[in-house]
Amino acid sequence: AQSVSQHNHHVILSEAASLELGCNYSYGGTVNLFWYVQYPGQHLQLLLKYFSGDPLVKGIKGFEAEFIKSKFSFNLRKPSVQWSDTAEYFCAVILGGSSGTYKYIFGTGTRLKVLA
Amino acid sequence: GAVVSQHPSRVICKSGTSVKIECRSLDFQATTMFWYRQFPKKSLMLMATSNEGSKATYEQGVEKDKFLINHASLTLSTLTVTSAHPEDSSFYICSAGGLAGTSYNEQFFGPGTRLTVL
Repeated sequence: AQSVSQHNHHVILSEAASLELGCNYSYGGTVNLFWYVQYPGQHLQLLLKYFSGDPLVKGIKGFEAEFIKSKFSFNLRKPSVQWSDTAEYFCAVILGGSSGTYKYIFGTGTRLKVLA
Repeated sequence: GAVVSQHPSRVICKSGTSVKIECRSLDFQATTMFWYRQFPKKSLMLMATSNEGSKATYEQGVEKDKFLINHASLTLSTLTVTSAHPEDSSFYICSAGGLAGTSYNEQFFGPGTRLTVL
């Protein structure tokens, strides 16, 4: 079955440290990829998305992600985190391209805590 | 644009009662809406996909008679948890897709509803 893996369940960083959160999926066909963030008590918000084109995607709040097809990965990065980045981060994948029935498959999430 | 609301945000009910949760797309017409359940410290689990005017498609293992979904219009979908039990306590999240000008793949999420069954 198709799945999405986020290897880091909990990450603790100090402010200004660099961040990289891993996301791997298991599917050999076309995928659309997303990273969402859920701040404490708030709803899911889209950070960035990849559909096609440049595999290095820039999102909001200084986040970026790189799609590496050969590694089935879509890792999220930020060069310098802030205390306000404390949140839970979810990777999501849609299988099969841009038409027809589409469903997100979510990873298990990574809780990031940034220490001031 | 692309705002999705849910009502109520929190609900506490007694075991055996039914609870209805509403999901509305406020500024766009959503051809498809999705219902998820989020367990503590776990990811979002897709429960069902609903298209306006047709029956919802439930994921494997989700009881369609327990979780009734109605997508009556392009801006409203409802999830009714029937005869709720404590194990139904969870965080329920809806999302909506089909916003014109975006990829059909993109979903916009509501703020979620915390259900507690006593």
